[in-house]
Amino acid sequence: SQQGEEDPQALSIQEGENATMNCSYKTSINNLQWYRQNSGRGLVHLILIRSNEREKHSGRLRVTLDTSKKSSSLLITASRAADTASYFCAFRQGGSEKLVFGKGTKLTVNP
Amino acid sequence: DTEVTQTPKHLVMGMTNKKSLKCEQHMGHRAMYWYKQKAKKPPELMFVYSYEKLSINESVPSRFSPECPNSSLLNLHLHALQPEDSALYLCASSLYSQQGVGYTFGSGTRLTVV
Repeated sequence: SQQGEEDPQALSIQEGENATMNCSYKTSINNLQWYRQNSGRGLVHLILIRSNEREKHSGRLRVTLDTSKKSSSLLITASRAADTASYFCAFRQGGSEKLVFGKGTKLTVNP
Repeated sequence: DTEVTQTPKHLVMGMTNKKSLKCEQHMGHRAMYWYKQKAKKPPELMFVYSYEKLSINESVPSRFSPECPNSSLLNLHLHALQPEDSALYLCASSLYSQQGVGYTFGSGTRLTVV
């Protein structure tokens, strides 16, 4: 399958804690993206990391990419109840126009 | 304008009906996409339009017919759907189809086929 694998499938934490989600993929990629989806509605683009980058930050988000292990992680620091959502990694293979999504991690942040 | 607008938000249709989903963006994006998402699953690509031309059809059944009348509009025409086609249909756009840029998604149309 071309789909990415994410773990954990579900994560429940307390407000203020950090949340880490992992994504693995099987083929070479040009970049990897992370999206958030609230309550089965539209997805929101969070961050994009290119294959020649190892780490990227955006506010409380930190993304790492290890192309040798074909894996990426998304860290949300100091989580808030509003961070409760499903998080998906997504990637293109080579020059493909096709953006493939991982299976997602459902994050619950308890107040 | 930094949004992708999808209408309707909800749609219930019978198996013999014909309906259309509409997607609109005014960000100057030249690539537009239709995704289908079942409950608790990731979005699955259906179609890619690049410069108003269909560039990818992910072997979608012919009862789904996409149309891109201009660079701002994307339609998905539905005919003779099955109950298993019930899902959230998401439209997205990006500046170009092969550049390393993020997609902007609409909020989706929740379709129920009865």
